[in-house]
Amino acid sequence: DARVTQTPRDKVTEMGQEVTMRCQPILGHNTVFWYRQTMMQGLELLAYFRNRAPLDDSGMPKDRFSAEMPDATLATLKIQPSEPRDSAVYFCASGNGADTQYFGPGTRLTVL
Amino acid sequence: GESVGLHLPTLSVQEGDNSIINCAYSNSASDYFIWYKQESGKGPQFIIDIRSNMDKRQGQRVTVLLNKTVKHLSLQIAATQPGDSAVYFCAESDNDYKLSFGAGTTVTVRA
Repeated sequence: DARVTQTPRDKVTEMGQEVTMRCQPILGHNTVFWYRQTMMQGLELLAYFRNRAPLDDSGMPKDRFSAEMPDATLATLKIQPSEPRDSAVYFCASGNGADTQYFGPGTRLTVL
Repeated sequence: GESVGLHLPTLSVQEGDNSIINCAYSNSASDYFIWYKQESGKGPQFIIDIRSNMDKRQGQRVTVLLNKTVKHLSLQIAATQPGDSAVYFCAESDNDYKLSFGAGTTVTVRA
C-alpha cells in the first residue's frame, strides 16, 4: 500500500529555532507539494516540485522558509528561524502531474 | 481574487440517509476538480475527481456532479455511515498541478 510518509509527526520548538520537516513521496510520483493548514487560512500551497525541480514557491515566506528535494525519495521543508505564527499542520502530497495528489499524515508544528 | 468556496460549513445527516455537499468555484478556466475527505488528525484523503469534459462521475457510494454553467460542484454520498463523519474539501485546478482548496464542510453523521 503505497503512501506518502512524513516525519516528524509532531514537533514542538521554541521561537528562533530551526525546524526541518521531511517527506517521502510515493515511489514513481514526479510532483511533490508542500501545504500548510491552519484554522484561519485552511489549506495553503507553499511550494511544489516536478521532477525535483521547484516550479512554484510563491506561497512560501522566502525569508525564513526553504524547500528542497535532495533526491527523488526525499523532500524537505525548513523554517529558520521559526516563529509562533508558523504553528500549523504541514502536509506533503505527491502525484503524477495530471493525476490526483496523495497526502501524507502531516507534521503538527508548535512554535512556542 | 478567484477562489473556491463552500456553500455550507456544516452538515448533519442521519445514518443511512444520502448526503449532498456543495461547492462553488469562480475560476472559469478550471478543468479539474477533486473531493477530499479529512478525518481528525489525518491528511486529506482522495475521494473522487472529475474533469471538465464530464458532468457526472460515480465511485463507490459517491457521485460527483459538475455544472460548469453555474460553476457548481457537488458530492453525493449514498447511505451515509458513521465513518463518513469528517471534513470534506473540494479543490480545483486549471493547470493539473496546483490545487486551490475550499474552506471545507464538516459532516456529522447522527446514529
